[in-house]
Amino acid sequence: QVQLVQSGAEVKKPGASVKVSCKTSGYSLTSFGLNWVRQAPGQGLEWMGWISAYTGDTNYAQNFQGRVTMTTDASTSTAYMELRSLTSDDTAVYYCARERKMGLVAAATYDSWGQGTLVTVSS
Amino acid sequence: DIQMTQSPSSLSASVGDRVTITCRASQSISIYLNWYQQKAGKAPKLLIYTASSLQSGVPSRFSGSGSGTDFTLTISSLQPEDLATYYCQQSYSTPRTFGQGTKLEIK
Repeated sequence: QVQLVQSGAEVKKPGASVKVSCKTSGYSLTSFGLNWVRQAPGQGLEWMGWISAYTGDTNYAQNFQGRVTMTTDASTSTAYMELRSLTSDDTAVYYCARERKMGLVAAATYDSWGQGTLVTVSS
Repeated sequence: DIQMTQSPSSLSASVGDRVTITCRASQSISIYLNWYQQKAGKAPKLLIYTASSLQSGVPSRFSGSGSGTDFTLTISSLQPEDLATYYCQQSYSTPRTFGQGTKLEIK
């Protein structure tokens, strides 16, 4: 079955970088897009961006432009999200989510999710 | 960016009740609307896609409707395991925006 397994919790100091991994199994990473979504404590869901593991194309949310890099390694079926220049506002659970096109209009849906990675930014 | 607004932000209902959550988009998004369920401490789970299509494995008491700017998620007979926060999301354009969530409590 489809599984996305993320790396463990991280504690970082302000100004540092974090790199979260998302190891996929049960499907071909290059056949689907991969999104990253974050959730601050007690808050809603925020889309960070998308990567095509097939082409390497990316689409980042404006809020993260210049500070985020999403990559994939097809040889290990793993996706990565690196976020730089961390502040306390980046404290959140970070999720990877597989994008699947569904329905007659081939709409993008997030049909499988990782378990989440808590990133805490604190001095 | 397309803004997604859900109402109510929270609601409390009894087992067996019919529950409706609404989601409004700031511009027309056709039927590019998904609904997710998130239980405490867990990742979101896809319930409904393209406004009204039920994801495989999701109980039939969940249904969705709407098009354009106004959408609804309905639970026909609330069950205890439906305790969760529900989010709508538009997939019409990027950035893929979510509603702020509706927290559903069981009386």
